[in-house]
Amino acid sequence: SSELTQDPAVSVALGQTVRITCQGDSLRNYYASWYQQKAGQTPILVIYGKNNRPSGIPDRFSGSSSGNTASLTITGAQAEDEADYYCNSRDSSGNHWVFGGGTNLTVL
Amino acid sequence: QVQLVESGGGVVQPGRSLRLSCAASGFTFSNYGMHWVRQAPGKGLEWVAVIWFDGGNKYYADSVKGRFTISGDNSKNTLYLQMNSLRAEDTAVYYCARGGEEMDDSSGYYYNWFDPWGQGTLVTVSS
Repeated sequence: SSELTQDPAVSVALGQTVRITCQGDSLRNYYASWYQQKAGQTPILVIYGKNNRPSGIPDRFSGSSSGNTASLTITGAQAEDEADYYCNSRDSSGNHWVFGGGTNLTVL
Repeated sequence: QVQLVESGGGVVQPGRSLRLSCAASGFTFSNYGMHWVRQAPGKGLEWVAVIWFDGGNKYYADSVKGRFTISGDNSKNTLYLQMNSLRAEDTAVYYCARGGEEMDDSSGYYYNWFDPWGQGTLVTVSS
């Protein structure tokens, strides 16, 4: 099975734009989905597909993909966006699902 | 309202067994793939297993294959995870999640997602 690689930690100034990336071979054929997990809470879906947001997710969250890299962008980061973010896709075999190691986002 | 509620977690000795349950409401079980995902203390998310109720296909992470069995009861809208030969490294919060999957017509790319997630149930494997 393939892996998805994320930077362990990223920081952003309040109100600025931040991009969280996810790299993996499977992303050449699959779009990633992205999950936000705040401390002590259950993960929630924030982006899936080419750039789809579930109901209730603010439009400052967006997704994109190029080659083997998927990106989650937060435009105008807010204090409440401080969380761990995980990417996910099927692996290249199609029979397993994989998560990236997670990126801890700090909003300064 | 779509909801998933896990139960069955607890403290168990290495080598013993435990069965987790996930009660679903607000949607038809058999129309989706249902997944188990776990998170060890202080660690990231790890996909564990999936079952599709329409065709019965099941897939497992290499770390649990041969020890864990995913199953479900459509009549009860309940998902199960039978965990045998438990190890210390199986200690984690176990989440069930509803899976979705589609193909983007313009690119031909498939994409999947997990939504919603249950609140999780903690399994601790310790002597």
